[in-house]
Amino acid sequence: GENVEQHPSTLSVQEGDSAVIKCTYSDSASNYFPWYKQELGKGPQLIIDIRSNVGEKKDQRIAVTLNKTAKHFSLHITETQPEDSAVYFCAAMDSNYQLIWGAGTKLIIKP
Amino acid sequence: EAGVAQSPRYKIIEKRQSVAFWCNPISGHATLYWYQQILGQGPKLLIQFQNNGVVDDSQLPKDRFSAERLKGVDSTLKIQPAKLEDSAVYLCASSLGPGQYQPQHFGDGTRLSIL
Repeated sequence: GENVEQHPSTLSVQEGDSAVIKCTYSDSASNYFPWYKQELGKGPQLIIDIRSNVGEKKDQRIAVTLNKTAKHFSLHITETQPEDSAVYFCAAMDSNYQLIWGAGTKLIIKP
Repeated sequence: EAGVAQSPRYKIIEKRQSVAFWCNPISGHATLYWYQQILGQGPKLLIQFQNNGVVDDSQLPKDRFSAERLKGVDSTLKIQPAKLEDSAVYLCASSLGPGQYQPQHFGDGTRLSIL
């Protein structure tokens, strides 16, 4: 079955700098890759997603890239702000249309 | 658009007691999911409903967990009897349908502590 690995587990960046979180997946049939942001005491919030027929997608300061050949996808956050501090999860949708989740990355924005 | 509603937000019980969680999905969403999230981990799917039918409950510990979605809208998840390892956040999510490219939208969960 599908397996998703996410790195790093913790990422600390200076406010205003960029942050990059990387995920790899194992099942080449996976074709939908969402990213979720989870703040303390809240449920995961969808922030961006990408389909397998697209290599890159942007939404203001957030972008996701997908390399189907290498089976990895990444989240890029530019001009980081204190409110970006949270746990970020990547996921891949398997052939049963179920999400397989990464272990999460705790993003810390230093003032 | 109202989001996914869950209650209660917090619950503390002793082991071997029973507990129930309630979820109201986004209006019009046919697919409903219950996840278990243990501290420091990603969500783990427990059960998926399509309308009022079960699509997948392969990871639901059926000796103690049960779930229903009788009218295809609200859902309840029950644990009886609870074990210490059931301490977790129970998340409900919904989507328009079960197919590919259908984003899942989450509620804020119920945090369960077992004493």
